[in-house]
Amino acid sequence: AQTVTQSQPEMSVQEAETVTLSCTYDTSESDYYLFWYKQPPSRQMILVIRQEAYKQQNATENRFSVNFQKAAKSFSLKISDSQLGDAAMYFCAYRSPAGGGADGLTFGKGTHLIIQP
Amino acid sequence: DVKVTQSSRYLVKRTGEKVFLECVQDMDHENMFWYRQDPGLGLRLIYFSYDVKMKEKGDIPEGYSVSREKKERFSLILESASTNQTSMYLCASRYQGAYNSPLHFGNGTRLTVT
Repeated sequence: AQTVTQSQPEMSVQEAETVTLSCTYDTSESDYYLFWYKQPPSRQMILVIRQEAYKQQNATENRFSVNFQKAAKSFSLKISDSQLGDAAMYFCAYRSPAGGGADGLTFGKGTHLIIQP
Repeated sequence: DVKVTQSSRYLVKRTGEKVFLECVQDMDHENMFWYRQDPGLGLRLIYFSYDVKMKEKGDIPEGYSVSREKKERFSLILESASTNQTSMYLCASRYQGAYNSPLHFGNGTRLTVT
């Protein structure tokens, strides 16, 4: 079974600075999908960014970008120009294309991001 | 935008009660999911459904059952609630036609069993 590890339970960054959240995963598959979700205090889980393993180019969505290192099985999220509204729990997630009976995602335990004004 | 609606934001039930958590999505998604979220444990999959009347166990199905009689609605049932089922429950749906399609989540139901 795949596992997803987020080694930073909590991170803190000054407003307007850049922060990187780490995520590693364990898999024997060559093709898969990776996601970062954000969960603000409102509790709504929101998709931040996604990456297909077969794509070498790192995904980017405005101030959010990833550093996908397939050989190292690493998928970190970089947030540039941090804003107060970025404060949230961030979850890294993995999906296998094979499904294995479950098309759901395997989630990490989350990183709580604090933005210091 | 996809809307996933969970019927209750907060729920308090007594031990032994039968509890229904309801979830409705408005985008005709085939796949629906129930996750449980606990501090320090992240999200864990309880049950999911590929389509109407179809269901599969996730990682922690014990003590739960589900029902999907209509495509838009996926219910989580606690047959006899116990205190260790106090948790946040998240429902999600997904378009099955693309592997990279994301999950769309509801706002969660925080269930307390006393």
